[in-house]
Amino acid sequence: AQTVTQSQPEMSVQEAETVTLSCTYDTSENNYYLFWYKQPPSRQMILVIRQEAYKQQNATENRFSVNFQKAAKSFSLKISDSQLGDTAMYFCASVNDMRFGAGTRLTVKP
Amino acid sequence: EAGVAQSPRYKIIEKRQSVAFWCNPISGHATLYWYQQILGQGPKLLIQFQNNGVVDDSQLPKDRFSAERLKGVDSTLKIQPAKLEDSAVYLCASSSTRGNTIYFGEGSWLTVV
Repeated sequence: AQTVTQSQPEMSVQEAETVTLSCTYDTSENNYYLFWYKQPPSRQMILVIRQEAYKQQNATENRFSVNFQKAAKSFSLKISDSQLGDTAMYFCASVNDMRFGAGTRLTVKP
Repeated sequence: EAGVAQSPRYKIIEKRQSVAFWCNPISGHATLYWYQQILGQGPKLLIQFQNNGVVDDSQLPKDRFSAERLKGVDSTLKIQPAKLEDSAVYLCASSSTRGNTIYFGEGSWLTVV
């Protein structure tokens, strides 16, 4: 089974600034997918961004982008121009067996 | 497109009682997942179905938890008898196939007292 590690339990950032959340994973597979999910206090899991391992190009979704380092098995999430609504728990997850990391609590300060 | 539906949203039971949660995935999604999320932790995969077959139930406490997905559509997760440590949010999710984006329901909050 794949394991996913998020080493930052909590982070904070000032509104409009940039923050990077870290994630490392362990897998023996060649083809897999990686995800970042956001979970606000309502506990609804919301997909932020997805990366396919066979693609060299880092995924980008508006203010969210990833730095995918396949050899290092690293998958970090960069949030640009942080907004108050970005405050939430962020979980990194690996597919194919959908294991989640322990999460990073992000607080955006006004 | 309708999302993943779960019920009940909230349930409070006494220890040693039983409880069942229901999930209806997005139409056409072959893969269905049940996760347990204890407060302050990441979701833990309990069981994964592909159509009506079990793909992975290695983390399901089989002495008290059971799940089924008859006809390969909706699914039920049962806990019997419940323990205090079962207090958690139970998240159901689905995807069109393994490896595709997974969509989550709003969760069922269980409190065992």
